[in-house]
Amino acid sequence: DSGVTQTPKHLITATGQRVTLRCSPRSGDLSVYWYQQSLDQGLQFLIQYYNGEERAKGNILERFSAQQFPDLHSELNLSSLELGDSALYFCASSGGLRDYGYTFGSGTRLTVV
Amino acid sequence: AQTVTQSQPEMSVQEAETVTLSCTYDTSESDYYLFWYKQPPSRQMILVIRQEAYKQQNATENRFSVNFQKAAKSFSLKISDSQLGDAAMYFCACATGANSKLTFGKGITLSVRP
Repeated sequence: DSGVTQTPKHLITATGQRVTLRCSPRSGDLSVYWYQQSLDQGLQFLIQYYNGEERAKGNILERFSAQQFPDLHSELNLSSLELGDSALYFCASSGGLRDYGYTFGSGTRLTVV
Repeated sequence: AQTVTQSQPEMSVQEAETVTLSCTYDTSESDYYLFWYKQPPSRQMILVIRQEAYKQQNATENRFSVNFQKAAKSFSLKISDSQLGDAAMYFCACATGANSKLTFGKGITLSVRP
């Protein structure tokens, strides 16, 4: 167990639907990062939250949104899903000044049919 | 913004031999950190090794070591005594300071021949 928990592990949904992916960071980590990894692709940075505030934004579609709650867990919302959104979505957390490590969750595999 | 380049999409190594995976990066920051991550077929992202840019000494973790050439902005990973379990995709990544995102290269698929 890496300390970062992502749920669900697998998700199959139809085009046009909306889903929510959840991430609980490692205890004490304030930063949460979301990444998308399509088949045979590298990891594309989507968005970062730090202590509840959006810190950085990457190649995140307007149909996607995220938030970080007071208990520091984060949710990534994907709406109007398209076949091309099928991918592995990773959440990672870091402790910042305490240590410069990034811990990854096991990912949520999203399949849009 | 930083960029990370892994120009070799695939490499192969004989079991027990040594292999070096290449990575170059570009950043205008003076404070940055470099990482190698392993992604086996399970798709879990596993930290292999990390290097702080301010440290001149190359990082080492058991059979894994890096060759950090700061002036050339090169950060290669050497795997000694390769094992079948080393077969995976390897990603090079860079982060500029605390609480900043990781930027990844496209990755390299390493196969290990028995």
